[in-house]
Amino acid sequence: GQNIDQPTEMTATEGAIVQINCTYQTSGFNGLFWYQQHAGEAPTFLSYNVLDGLEEKGRFSSFLSRSKGYSYLLLKELQMKDSASYLCGGGGSQGNLIFGKGTKLSVKP
Amino acid sequence: SAVISQKPSRDICQRGTSLTIQCQVDSQVTMMFWYRQQPGQSLTLIATANQGSEATYESGFVIDKFPISRPNLTFSTLTVSNMSPEDSSIYLCSVDFQTPSYGYTFGSGTRLTVV
Repeated sequence: GQNIDQPTEMTATEGAIVQINCTYQTSGFNGLFWYQQHAGEAPTFLSYNVLDGLEEKGRFSSFLSRSKGYSYLLLKELQMKDSASYLCGGGGSQGNLIFGKGTKLSVKP
Repeated sequence: SAVISQKPSRDICQRGTSLTIQCQVDSQVTMMFWYRQQPGQSLTLIATANQGSEATYESGFVIDKFPISRPNLTFSTLTVSNMSPEDSSIYLCSVDFQTPSYGYTFGSGTRLTVV
């Protein structure tokens, strides 16, 4: 079956670093994608990995291990505006993405 | 650029009526995807829309309830038919632009409330 798991909620402090983990089992593999979604808005593409290793994009980095079916999103120098849901998505059977339930991150002062 | 325009952005509809959501892409794409996001939930794929063929629906979604059109490589519509309050959700179209900069990009979404 297809499954993507990520923690439901996380809390972190402004200025800190937080790591959001994601494990996946999908029928296809066209990369592992991370999205940010603020309440009431559409998801915004953050990063994706198709090869093992770390991809860095400013304050956001994403890591992938295909052999372990594992990825994480690393957010550095947290800001209040980073409070949002973070969605992990991977390959579905139609060339689409299937998504985990999302991790709601709350950044506290 | 990789722009997807989706409309309407929101609507409040009476039960038993239908709403058509439009999605326009600024470049030609092979596949377009329609998702639903129920309150507090993640994204669920409704169907995949290919130009020139019938849409492929996921388990639990049927063409009579969610008819889809794909008349060309830049446009698609999703209709939510015979609506009930359970159809209140955000509906999103998505495209795979197949570039590292954009990945799968979503339209701005349609927030539907059925009363």
